[in-house]
Amino acid sequence: GENVEQHPSTLSVQEGDSAVIKCTYSDSASNYFPWYKQELGKRPQLIIDIRSNVGEKKDQRIAVTLNKTAKHFSLHITETQPEDSAVYFCAAVPYYGNNRLAFGKGNQVVVIP
Amino acid sequence: DTEVTQTPKHLVMGMTNKKSLKCEQHMGHRAMYWYKQKAKKPPELMFVYSYEKLSINESVPSRFSPECPNSSLLNLHLHALQPEDSALYLCASSRGDGGNYGYTFGSGTRLTVV
Repeated sequence: GENVEQHPSTLSVQEGDSAVIKCTYSDSASNYFPWYKQELGKRPQLIIDIRSNVGEKKDQRIAVTLNKTAKHFSLHITETQPEDSAVYFCAAVPYYGNNRLAFGKGNQVVVIP
Repeated sequence: DTEVTQTPKHLVMGMTNKKSLKCEQHMGHRAMYWYKQKAKKPPELMFVYSYEKLSINESVPSRFSPECPNSSLLNLHLHALQPEDSALYLCASSRGDGGNYGYTFGSGTRLTVV
């Protein structure tokens, strides 16, 4: 099955700086890569996603890049704000996935005011 | 309506109790899921219903019993749970089959087994 690795596990950034979280995946057939943000005590929320036919996608201060050859994808947050502090999970779905998302272990992002 | 609604938000139950968790969505999504999440861990898939049929059971113990009465509702029946089953139980839905659609998660039921 698909194995998703996420690094680093914790990331502290100064407010206003950029944050980058990287994920690697094992199954070359995976074709959908969502990112979820989970604030303490709240539900995971889909913040951005990318499909395998696209290399980059942006939505205001967040962007995701995908390198299919290297089998990795990254989340970029620019001009970080305290409300960006949360756990971020990457995930991948194999083409044959039967709706099964393979989550990474999560990354705790702390934005220091 | 763009939400997945879960009830109750909190549940404390004894090891001999029977209780049910409920989940509802009105987005016309045809796939619904139960996930279990422990603190500081990613969600773990338990069950997938696709077009109201159980399509995935991730070897979940029989003390957890899912039910999908219709395309908008998903239940999780609990019986004879163990303290290690204490966790956040998340329901989610997505547009359809194939998995390459984003999930919408509910707020979860925080379950404590005593």
